[in-house]
Amino acid sequence: ELKVEQNPLFLSMQEGKNYTIYCNYSTTSDRLYWYRQDPGKSLESLFVLLSNGAVKQEGRLMASLDTKARLSTLHITAAVHDLSATYFCAVVEETSGSRLTFGEGTQLTVNP
Amino acid sequence: GAGVSQSPSNKVTEKGKDVELRCDPISGHTALYWYRQSLGQGLEFLIYFQGNSAPDKSGLPSDRFSAERTGGSVSTLTIQRTQQEDSAVYLCASSFTGPPEQFFGPGTRLTVL
Repeated sequence: ELKVEQNPLFLSMQEGKNYTIYCNYSTTSDRLYWYRQDPGKSLESLFVLLSNGAVKQEGRLMASLDTKARLSTLHITAAVHDLSATYFCAVVEETSGSRLTFGEGTQLTVNP
Repeated sequence: GAGVSQSPSNKVTEKGKDVELRCDPISGHTALYWYRQSLGQGLEFLIYFQGNSAPDKSGLPSDRFSAERTGGSVSTLTIQRTQQEDSAVYLCASSFTGPPEQFFGPGTRLTVL
């Protein structure tokens, strides 16, 4: 059974600081997704990572994938308050078709 | 263009009643997924439709849950004899075939009293 673990689960940081959220998964996969969820809202797609070594950047967020280590990171640079949200990673297991298995989510709060 | 839409946005029902939740995927998307999000269980896969293939029902938690997709487009998730533990936000997503980026709808918040 595929397990996806994120850490930290809760992250409080000050504006202007950098931090990294980690996503580990337990079986072979080369498809990993990052989503953002604001309170009471649905999931917004941030990044799709489809190969080992993939790196994608959008604004202050950068995501990477290491399929050998079964690890993805979401790096936040010079955080701003608008980044406060819950971030989920999700993995497609190779034998499962296309269904997503989600991590527990990281609740990020950026304080002024 | 229009995204994934779901209805109703909120549904309050009494224990033991049946409910139907509707999902309209993005036009042209061949794959459709149902997930649910609850406090205790996080985000869980329920069922997946891909074109005319048999759906992957492996995530449905009990035989009270069923779903259908008519004409390769709209999908309905039905929960029979609802229980309090069915209370959750039910999310629908759709995607093209190939490496799928799944786009999520706004969800239906189900409360079973």
